[in-house]
Amino acid sequence: RKEVEQDPGPFNVPEGATVAFNCTYSNSASQSFFWYRQDCRKEPKLLMSVYSSGNEDGRFTAQLNRASQYISLLIRDSKLSDSATYLCVVTDSGAGSYQLTFGKGTKLSVIP
Amino acid sequence: DGGITQSPKYLFRKEGQNVTLSCEQNLNHDAMYWYRQDPGQGLRLIYYSQIVNDFQKGDIAEGYSVSREKKESFPLTVTSAQKNPTAFYLCASSEELAGGGDEQFFGPGTRLTVL
Repeated sequence: RKEVEQDPGPFNVPEGATVAFNCTYSNSASQSFFWYRQDCRKEPKLLMSVYSSGNEDGRFTAQLNRASQYISLLIRDSKLSDSATYLCVVTDSGAGSYQLTFGKGTKLSVIP
Repeated sequence: DGGITQSPKYLFRKEGQNVTLSCEQNLNHDAMYWYRQDPGQGLRLIYYSQIVNDFQKGDIAEGYSVSREKKESFPLTVTSAQKNPTAFYLCASSEELAGGGDEQFFGPGTRLTVL
């Protein structure tokens, strides 16, 4: 069984803080990686795809470490509106099979 | 406005009844998916469809059935064989099967409660 593990949190941080989440995956052949954001009782929405070279979008930076099989998400200058659950997603496909695995999510609460 | 719709938002059924959840997308996406989310759990893949008239079992397909007769529609039937059907059900779609980096777009979900 392919696994994706995340620290469930909650992470309670003050506004303006920098916070980092890690996610580990068990299948070394995994191909695509994503971070999704899910607000309470809402559907997940894509936050960022994660590329081998790392990528940044404003206050958000995603990194992939294939050797150690983990991905990370860094949020700088946290805002109250960043409070949500962050889901790590890993996909594997090939030879007629397909598997997409969500982590259980890391809950972030940004405090005034 | 393009997007995915799911109906109803809340659904209550008696134990032993089959129930069908609706999912419609007007994004012209080929691939569609059904997930289930339980409290404190990650999303788990029930079924997915890469193209019309084709679908595959996900990790937890037992007790569920789907059809894909039209590109824009992917209804999910929760049968009486599903042991713990009460959950939040999410439908998603992507341009192609999301192994090549394609973003999945999610519908607002249906909360099913079996009494």
